[in-house]
Amino acid sequence: RKEVEQDPGPFNVPEGATVAFNCTYSNSASQSFFWYRQDCRKEPKLLMSVYSSGNEDGRFTAQLNRASQYISLLIRDSKLSDSATYLCVVSSGGYNKLIFGAGTRLAVHP
Amino acid sequence: EAQVTQNPRYLITVTGKKLTVTCSQNMNHEYMSWYRQDPGLGLRQIYYSMNVEVTDKGDVPEGYKVSRKEKRNFPLILESPSPNQTSLYFCASKGRTNYGYTFGSGTRLTVV
Repeated sequence: RKEVEQDPGPFNVPEGATVAFNCTYSNSASQSFFWYRQDCRKEPKLLMSVYSSGNEDGRFTAQLNRASQYISLLIRDSKLSDSATYLCVVSSGGYNKLIFGAGTRLAVHP
Repeated sequence: EAQVTQNPRYLITVTGKKLTVTCSQNMNHEYMSWYRQDPGLGLRQIYYSMNVEVTDKGDVPEGYKVSRKEKRNFPLILESPSPNQTSLYFCASKGRTNYGYTFGSGTRLTVV
């Protein structure tokens, strides 16, 4: 079983749609949680950290459920520029080792 | 500009010919790490470093070496590359107080 699992997609949605991505992780000792965004053939970039209380950044909302070991990302009012692969990332260990999910691809169309 | 710089961006080489991919960061970060990305597998950690002269294996270290003689540099060495090391490689760095890693632009390596 992979340490971090995501639905690979692709999710094809029209502009303005709301889309949700889910992710599960297997290590209950994981300490930090993130969503990264990766454009085709480019480097991953930090989108947002995920906190147990849930957090929001503009159109993006992230949630963490430690009991279920489940992380989610909600994107409201999708834009064409949101088209990318979204990586669920979990961190553990003193040096903050990152474990990446394989990513969920999002394609927003006009 | 704060950044992680990798070189080269693209490299085609032959089996067995030693190569080095350089990585340099200008943010005085303690943590540095190398990842490879393959379709369907996501990014997997090769080696990491917590500070100068402190390195350790990640999940897929076989066939790779690293060194951390200076804080800013963390080169990845392939002593005898093989075709199964054809991949997209990323270097990343993070400071102690930062949340997320900053990634370099990637090196696409093809071993024939």
